[in-house]
Amino acid sequence: QSALTQPASVSGSPGQSITISCTGTSSDVGGYNYVSWYQHHPGKAPKLMIYDVSNRPSGVSNRFSGSKSGNTASLTISGLQAEDEADYSCSSYTSTSTLVFGTGTKVTVL
Amino acid sequence: QVELVQSGAEVKKPGASVKVSCKASGYTFTGHYMHWVRQAPGQGLEWMGRISPNSGGTNYAQKFQGRVTMTRDTSINTAYMELSRMRSDDTAVYYCARNSELGTRSGVDYWGQGTLVTVSS
Repeated sequence: QSALTQPASVSGSPGQSITISCTGTSSDVGGYNYVSWYQHHPGKAPKLMIYDVSNRPSGVSNRFSGSKSGNTASLTISGLQAEDEADYSCSSYTSTSTLVFGTGTKVTVL
Repeated sequence: QVELVQSGAEVKKPGASVKVSCKASGYTFTGHYMHWVRQAPGQGLEWMGRISPNSGGTNYAQKFQGRVTMTRDTSINTAYMELSRMRSDDTAVYYCARNSELGTRSGVDYWGQGTLVTVSS
């Protein structure tokens, strides 16, 4: 199972919106609505930000939103804030009943 | 509140094995699969497999078949991941992560703090 493809880095100024893509295949991202997104600050446990493509867990800011089109899922962060600077990873359920993660994206707030 | 507390950092020589523990609290341990995920330096997250704390049944990623063993002790709400015949490229932070309460397809929701395993001669 190959890792899902994410851009290595994305940056934006405070207040702007950015979008991170997560590209897989019809055997994972494209085949199921089970994409999750995680925020990961160095040295800390990853935090679930989006589940099942577009749902936010309780307590996660509504500045974070998720979507999917075909084999590509996306995470959008609107109203970018300094605290959003972190690594972001996607994951998807797969046709072999396993999980696959993305290659990870470093978000920089300029 | 859900909490997953992992064992401390380890340094191992090539060819050795490591066993990482993950103690769960704040929920019914047997009600959720436990996954193990690792992140090598400069790399993305990599799924290793999962265990059903209820039945003990396991699913391993093909890459780790034959080298990884996941077990659990329900009396102390603890899951374990043992990796054998380690190589330098097994150097990574290893995480346990609880399966989402929404079902096995919805990924993971809570993560442990991570355990750094260094393989070096």
